[in-house]
Amino acid sequence: ETGVTQTPRHLVMGMTNKKSLKCEQHLGHNAMYWYKQSAKKPLELMFVYNFKEQTENNSVPSRFSPECPNSSHLFLHLHTLQPEDSALYLCASSQGAQASEAFFGQGTRLTVV
Amino acid sequence: AQTVTQSQPEMSVQEAETVTLSCTYDTSESDYYLFWYKQPPSRQMILVIRQEAYKQQNATENRFSVNFQKAAKSFSLKISDSQLGDAAMYFCAYRSAGGAQKLVFGQGTRLTINP
Repeated sequence: ETGVTQTPRHLVMGMTNKKSLKCEQHLGHNAMYWYKQSAKKPLELMFVYNFKEQTENNSVPSRFSPECPNSSHLFLHLHTLQPEDSALYLCASSQGAQASEAFFGQGTRLTVV
Repeated sequence: AQTVTQSQPEMSVQEAETVTLSCTYDTSESDYYLFWYKQPPSRQMILVIRQEAYKQQNATENRFSVNFQKAAKSFSLKISDSQLGDAAMYFCAYRSAGGAQKLVFGQGTRLTINP
């Protein structure tokens, strides 16, 4: 039990499909994040939510649409993706205190065909 | 913007030996936090060790310790008595003390433990 659960673990989708990634944290944290991990590139922050409000959008294309219905759940809705969007998508959460660590899920491995 | 650089894409060490992973960063801020995360094949990022920039004392966590050189903007990780379970990708990360709660990661170092 990692405290941060992501589903699905693996996803293959066509460029015309619509799918969603789900993240759930059982740690009572108030901040949640989406990161993208591509091959041979550093992890890139995509979105930050603090108390359900989006506080950061790191110039992410609109084909990625986040949703945070409550502090425990975070979604990433995907539509009309490109093959270069294939990557590992990691969700994380933190309590928000300045020295707080971020807890990560095990990621969703996304392949766009 | 802050940047984090890990200049060693791959490192290897004999089991029970000591290895040091390098990390440098660039920032104009004076108050921040530095982290080392481990990512095993399970893909989950696991915090290894954390350092607050205002603390002069180097952080230690069992077999893991850091050499934090603030003036040089260097933050290396030393793993003592390496074990097979230490094999993983290691990421150095930076986080501002205030403002947005976000981590800036380096490119990672793949550590191999040779039995």
